[in-house]
Amino acid sequence: DIQMTQSPSSVSASVGDRVTITCRASQDINSWLAWYQQKPGKAPKLLIYVASNLQSGVPSRFSGSGSGTDFTLTISSLQPEDFATYYCQQASSFPITFGQGTRLEIK
Amino acid sequence: QVTLKESGPALVKPTQTLTLTCTFSGFSLNTSGMCVSWIRQPPGKALEWLALIDWDDDKYYSTSLKTRLTISKDTSKNQVVLTMTNMDPVDTATYYCARTQHLAVAILGFDPWGQGTLVTVSS
Repeated sequence: DIQMTQSPSSVSASVGDRVTITCRASQDINSWLAWYQQKPGKAPKLLIYVASNLQSGVPSRFSGSGSGTDFTLTISSLQPEDFATYYCQQASSFPITFGQGTRLEIK
Repeated sequence: QVTLKESGPALVKPTQTLTLTCTFSGFSLNTSGMCVSWIRQPPGKALEWLALIDWDDDKYYSTSLKTRLTISKDTSKNQVVLTMTNMDPVDTATYYCARTQHLAVAILGFDPWGQGTLVTVSS
């Protein structure tokens, strides 16, 4: 199975900050990576697919980059509604695997 | 508008078999590339992918759970069913179903997701 490792596990930031979350795959997954946002008590929401494609309706302050084994999710200017947990997920091969999550907290 | 909704028992006893149903609308599992997956999340923990079924009735399972899982579809009812045998308290989780698309070489992201259903395993 492909292992997905996110860092950091948690991060504290302020409104307006730029935040970057990284995700590393245990083997080459090309660009087959997705990012999700999850708020407490809610289902995850797709933000980015195929590493850098913004899902329809997602604000442009979210962006994704990377290929191969190393990927990043960047929020350019944090808004109050962005405080949540973020997950990466590889879509290159079965079984599909998720990262362990990154909790983004208010400083 | 694409929607999915999970249904099933809220409480199961250890060793019992869990059966969950995902009822969807706004798309057809007869359409080439369409897939439905099950994902779960224990309280306070990360997401765990369980299984996927595609338009061609191909099925894929989690490595660690594949001996306990069966996924099936009823396209006439727009439903996907997941069964998990020999339930244990560690299987307590919110279970989600989600749509995705299977390209020739990989799959796209899961979107949208159902609201999830909490299943507690306890005697």
